[in-house]
Amino acid sequence: DVKVTQSSRYLVKRTGEKVFLECVQDMDHENMFWYRQDPGLGLRLIYFSYDVKMKEKGDIPEGYSVSREKKERFSLILESASTNQTSMYLCASRKGRIPYGYTFGSGTRLTVV
Amino acid sequence: QQQVKQSPQSLIVQKGGISIINCAYENTAFDYFPWYQQFPGKGPALLIAIRPDVSEKKEGRFTISFNKSAKQFSLHIMDSQPGDSATYFCAARGQGAQKLVFGQGTRLTINP
Repeated sequence: DVKVTQSSRYLVKRTGEKVFLECVQDMDHENMFWYRQDPGLGLRLIYFSYDVKMKEKGDIPEGYSVSREKKERFSLILESASTNQTSMYLCASRKGRIPYGYTFGSGTRLTVV
Repeated sequence: QQQVKQSPQSLIVQKGGISIINCAYENTAFDYFPWYQQFPGKGPALLIAIRPDVSEKKEGRFTISFNKSAKQFSLHIMDSQPGDSATYFCAARGQGAQKLVFGQGTRLTINP
């Protein structure tokens, strides 16, 4: 069964901390995505990567960065966590340009206090 | 131009009823319109999708209706069941684009 695994289900971090959210996929997918999910706002794209070491900004990249050193792993980094970054973070992967081929992880609920 | 607007934000339907969720878009370059279903504690999963060259697609109890001229599409769930209670997202993809644009989500509750 194909999988996208997010390392933490729940995280609580302090304001100003550097936070790493990890995502691993076992499907050899080229494309990986980080979304943020907030009530009433839906899913908003933070960053995506279409190849190792390649990245592109999504719709809300401010305050975030990403790293993709290996094909299977895509990390989201909050350089200095703030309370407005409290949210559910979803990682997804997709093979090639197949539009329906998205697989999502179960999410990481991050609370910044 | 890149937005997809979804309504209602929440919906309560009696078991056996029809659930209807609506989405509207502005960008005529969108060429793929999926619906995702998300249960609590899980990530969204593809439910059904349509391309703009057809007006309707049906899979079991789930139907997408697509109105290209009005730039609207909707999800209909027939004979709604308590197991359908979830959050539903519509989405759209621009032609050749790498990313999906999602609607705001609808929390659907089916009362037994």
